[in-house]
Amino acid sequence: DTAVSQTPKYLVTQMGNDKSIKCEQNLGHDTMYWYKQDSKKFLKIMFSYNNKELIINETVPNRFSPKSPDKAHLNLHINSLELGDSAVYFCASSQAYRLVTNEQFFGPGTRLTVL
Amino acid sequence: AQSVSQHNHHVILSEAASLELGCNYSYGGTVNLFWYVQYPGQHLQLLLKYFSGDPLVKGIKGFEAEFIKSKFSFNLRKPSVQWSDTAEYFCAVKNSGAGSYQLTFGKGTKLSVIP
Repeated sequence: DTAVSQTPKYLVTQMGNDKSIKCEQNLGHDTMYWYKQDSKKFLKIMFSYNNKELIINETVPNRFSPKSPDKAHLNLHINSLELGDSAVYFCASSQAYRLVTNEQFFGPGTRLTVL
Repeated sequence: AQSVSQHNHHVILSEAASLELGCNYSYGGTVNLFWYVQYPGQHLQLLLKYFSGDPLVKGIKGFEAEFIKSKFSFNLRKPSVQWSDTAEYFCAVKNSGAGSYQLTFGKGTKLSVIP
């Protein structure tokens, strides 16, 4: 049983294109996250949604737009892709974010390569 | 703002050697601390976590970590590493201070175990 799943696993595209990455969790969690892991393996939070509402929005270009149709899904849409967007994007989920003792469960990642 | 420092970028050990990976954080309030592991090509998995109580925390696969509040440290240890421990290790901190519930990661330490 996959707890947090992402599609696609690999995404290769040209500069200027628009692409989406999908994330689904079957853990019954209320909160979902998107992280970006750069080529140096540094993980940085991008967005977080709790029950379909945005709660964390770090300094991310507005070309990135998260969408949460329901609390089990958090998709990431990227417009006008740039070379610097190449990275591995991880989705994660946790119980209600205000619970201090919660932990985050991560998906397998989507490796995005912009040519 | 909280931050996490992992002092070692790359650690190379022979099998059966002992391991200690450093992690220091900057935040004066109540924190929760985590160590995640990322095996090559895989997603992040939780190794262990500290919320409260005994500062010596035992995790999976023989790993343990000690929370030393006075030193703002949460170092990861394993008495005898195996080749299968080759991976990237991430320390993370989460605090419950007002307005901040997100997980902040260190830059990771790559561990290479030589058979």
